[in-house]
Amino acid sequence: GAVVSQHPSRVICKSGTSVKIECRSLDFQATTMFWYRQFPKQSLMLMATSNEGSKATYEQGVEKDKFLINHASLTLSTLTVTSAHPEDSSFYICSALNSGRGSSYEQYFGPGTRLTVT
Amino acid sequence: GQNIDQPTEMTATEGAIVQINCTYQTSGFNGLFWYQQHAGEAPTFLSYNVLDGLEEKGRFSSFLSRSKGYSYLLLKELQMKDSASYLCAVDQTGANNLFFGTGTRLTVIP
Repeated sequence: GAVVSQHPSRVICKSGTSVKIECRSLDFQATTMFWYRQFPKQSLMLMATSNEGSKATYEQGVEKDKFLINHASLTLSTLTVTSAHPEDSSFYICSALNSGRGSSYEQYFGPGTRLTVT
Repeated sequence: GQNIDQPTEMTATEGAIVQINCTYQTSGFNGLFWYQQHAGEAPTFLSYNVLDGLEEKGRFSSFLSRSKGYSYLLLKELQMKDSASYLCAVDQTGANNLFFGTGTRLTVIP
């Protein structure tokens, strides 16, 4: 099946620093990727839709200047959390749509990145 | 407003059948997904319904009624490994940006 990887799997950073999270589709091309955030014991909240070669679309309430998204190729999207604060500590999960499949509805999720800001 | 409701927790016995309900009120509807998520891991796809009716896939089945804004996930012959959270999600726009429910934490006991 389709595989999506994320790097790093865990990261601890100090308040005020920036952290970059990578999301890669390993065996398929993904024109569209999604970034979600999940707080403990809560469900996934969509942050933004990442489109290859164009600007990301952010959900209401998500600061685009704080959460920078770059989808520079068909297999890679990055999320940079700038000037991180403790309240940004969360589980960040990306997903990707297989551009080549006839059925385009199925999203493949990455394993997630646990960010802890101290 | 938009809302997806699921029971927060459920407990069932190994070998039994359990039904997890999901009701939704969303601005648009282009399909409903069920995902399984083990603690600390990414969700894995279980099913997708866009038309009314029952979709069966092995031990898991999913039902949708668009007129009632209602879906359920049916798990048969429960196994201990089925202990996980089950997430109901709606594609509101057809662009695959999913609106997730809060999830149902299922515990399977011997």
